[in-house]
Order: sequence, then structure tokens, then C-alpha cells
Amino acid sequence: GENVEQHPSTLSVQEGDSAVIKCTYSDSASNYFPWYKQELGKRPQLIIDIRSNVGEKKDQRIAVTLNKTAKHFSLHITETQPEDSAVYFCAASLGNKLTFGGGTRVLVKP
Amino acid sequence: DADVTQTPRNRITKTGKRIMLECSQTKGHDRMYWYRQDPGLGLQLIYYSFDVKDINKGEISDGYSVSRQAQAKFSLSLESAIPNQTALYFCATRGQGASGELFFGEGSRLTVL
Repeated sequence: GENVEQHPSTLSVQEGDSAVIKCTYSDSASNYFPWYKQELGKRPQLIIDIRSNVGEKKDQRIAVTLNKTAKHFSLHITETQPEDSAVYFCAASLGNKLTFGGGTRVLVKP
Repeated sequence: DADVTQTPRNRITKTGKRIMLECSQTKGHDRMYWYRQDPGLGLQLIYYSFDVKDINKGEISDGYSVSRQAQAKFSLSLESAIPNQTALYFCATRGQGASGELFFGEGSRLTVL
């Protein structure tokens, strides 16, 4: 089955700096790659996603890039703010199953 | 607002007890999922279902069972709870298509003593 590795497990950044989280996946047939954000004590919520026929997608301060050849994708957060502090999960999907990475705890220091 | 509701939200039980976690949704989605969250291990898939007649095992189904009573209801059971099943459990539904978004419930925190 699919295996998703996510790095780093924790990330501390200064407010205003950028944050990058990287994920690799094992099944080259996976075709959909969402990112979820989980604030402390809350449920995970989708923040951005990308399909396998697209290389990059942006939404305001967040962007996701996908390299199908290397089987890796990344989340980029620019101009980080305190409200970006959360746990972020990447996932890879083939059909009906979503397989998640282990999560990255992001702390934005004021 | 259409939502995904889990009960109970918190439960403390003893080793060997039977536990049921319930999930209901008003989103009208056919696909429903149970995930387990442990620190550092992300969200691991326990079971998923496409309709009342279709149940599928996920990555970590041992020790768990599920029942899809209706399109809107999907329950998770631990027949004989053990301490390493202490975790946060999420139910989720998924929208249509290969790019359908997962909508999570608020989670059920289970502690097995």
C-alpha cells in the first residue's frame, strides 16, 4: 500500500519568515495530494490540495508543489503569522483511500 | 450546518471492556472513515465504508470492528479494549470524486486503563 513520509516533525520559525514542509510518497499511481491543518484541540481541516496533473498551486500565503518524477510534494507558507502555529499533515490519495504523513508541528515565534 | 458528529467526545474505560464510538453525518456523503491519531504517527486509517454493504479494512484494523447502520451512521467498536488503544479517534466523511475533501468530526478521546 501507499506510504507517506513527512519531514520535519517539528519546525520553529520566526514570525514573518517562511516555512517549508516536505513529503514523499511511494505509490506512483497516487493522484491527489491534500494538506490538512490541525489547530490545538481541533479537528483537521483542508487548507490546500493539488492534483497529479498540476505542478504548483497557490492560495494567498500558502503554496504546494508536486514533483511526480521524484514522488515528493511540499507545502510552503510565506510571511508566517502566529495563527499558522498548528500541526500540518500531508496525504496521498489513490481512489478512495487517503494515506497521511506523520505530521509537522509548526511553531511561529513572535 | 451540515456536519460530522462523534459521541462520546471523551471516554475512560478499563482493559477488557467493550467500547463503541458513534459517528453520524448530515453531509449526505457515501464515503465514511475512521482514523486513529497518536502523537508523531499522524492519522492512521482503521476502516472505511462506501455504503452500508461495503466495509473495508484500513492499515490498522486489528482489534477493531465497524458497523454502517445507515448512510449517515458509522460506528467503531473495540470488542476488548487494551491500553495501547488509548488514542484520539476521528470519524470523517468524504465528498464526491477522486479529489473529494475529508470532513472530520471533532474526535473522540479514548483512554484505556
